[in-house]
Amino acid sequence: GAGVSQSPSNKVTEKGKDVELRCDPISGHTALYWYRQSLGQGLEFLIYFQGNSAPDKSGLPSDRFSAERTGGSVSTLTIQRTQQEDSAVYLCASNKDRTDTQYFGPGTRLTVL
Amino acid sequence: GEDVEQSLFLSVREGDSSVINCTYTDSSSTYLYWYKQEPGAGLQLLTYIFSNMDMKQDQRLTVLLNKKDKHLSLRIADTQTGDSAIYFCAESDSSNTGKLIFGQGTTLQVKP
Repeated sequence: GAGVSQSPSNKVTEKGKDVELRCDPISGHTALYWYRQSLGQGLEFLIYFQGNSAPDKSGLPSDRFSAERTGGSVSTLTIQRTQQEDSAVYLCASNKDRTDTQYFGPGTRLTVL
Repeated sequence: GEDVEQSLFLSVREGDSSVINCTYTDSSSTYLYWYKQEPGAGLQLLTYIFSNMDMKQDQRLTVLLNKKDKHLSLRIADTQTGDSAIYFCAESDSSNTGKLIFGQGTTLQVKP
């Protein structure tokens, strides 16, 4: 079946602009995670959604970052007033519940000029 | 807090065995994982081991877990050039989220 998909695959933006990154999880997966992969920080957790519960936002690096998940499926990660240090690959993963294996999408490579 | 450590680089000859090592700190992790990342690609789950197991074998892959020393290893038998990639060790967080805590990744270089 279809895996986790993310769009766009690449995004180049200017410092100060807002960006939106999209994740389509595997059908039937109620849990969704966002991670960031950057040269300086490695792979780090950003945010977790489980069904209709309040998300765990403990990994978001600043209040410029936000995410939502509409209808328990598609998720959007928004970065406001982008900075150069936001340049990274943003990865989305989903699973059936928190004890299940996480399946990753191909990522969105964000470059902030 | 939780931490996962890996060596950064390993170089082997084609046909040899590769062993990638990892240490972790959260003894309450339920699962430990190995993911593979090829250049420009996302993370591909290679294998995982439940915390009450010592060993798991899957074709050319063998995972060994030493809970006492909090040490995890991945052995790739008969390493091929197609195995060249970055390998990430990860432990599942013991909180309610099950988020993954990743090591820095080990770059495996396979020479023909």
